[in-house]
Amino acid sequence: TQTVSQSDAHVTVFEGDSVELRCNYSYGGSIYLSWYIQHHGRGLQFLLKYYSGNPVVQGVNGFEAEFSKSDSSFHLRKASVHWSDSAVYFCAVSGSGGNYKPTFGKGTSLVVHP
Amino acid sequence: NSKVIQTPRYLVKGQGQKAKMRCIPEKGHPVVFWYQQNKNNEFKFLINFQNQEVLQQIDMTEKRFSAECPSNSPCSLEIQSSEAGDSALYLCASSLGQANTEVFFGKGTRLTVV
Repeated sequence: TQTVSQSDAHVTVFEGDSVELRCNYSYGGSIYLSWYIQHHGRGLQFLLKYYSGNPVVQGVNGFEAEFSKSDSSFHLRKASVHWSDSAVYFCAVSGSGGNYKPTFGKGTSLVVHP
Repeated sequence: NSKVIQTPRYLVKGQGQKAKMRCIPEKGHPVVFWYQQNKNNEFKFLINFQNQEVLQQIDMTEKRFSAECPSNSPCSLEIQSSEAGDSALYLCASSLGQANTEVFFGKGTRLTVV
């Protein structure tokens, strides 16, 4: 069974600040990790993924995430946020071997003040 | 950008009525997922298909929901007898099906059961 934990339900920052949204997972096998963004009431947009290789992955709009096997984490970061980054961010984990349906965390609501 | 198309965007049904929503997966994607997202942003996996075959589904889906992905037609999810607790955003997603490939989501169908 795979589980995902996003410890911060809400994060509030100002434009130009850096931000880190945390994600921890548990799964016993090979995993596939991803982040999605959801603007209010809308569908999910894919941001980035990690499966293997370089643990730091780059995504769209200046987002990046770092995989850590020792910490079971896949935190999302952005060096300088814009007000349009305000949204809910979801971390997801999929297993391999046929069990590849994503399991989502509860989301982190990011509010960026102008 | 995702090319998963969901219709309708909004659906309002009375309790006990049938509610049907459709999804056209991204071209070439054999795997389709359906999720229910409640007002607390929590995701519940409902069912997934590979081509026309069901891969996994939860108990609720077996009993009150029906879903199919016929060849050359949109996939569909139907609630046989809507309940107030079914009010949610229903998200369809598709992927190539391997563990290390992206899962792309549609914009969802927001069902309100009155």
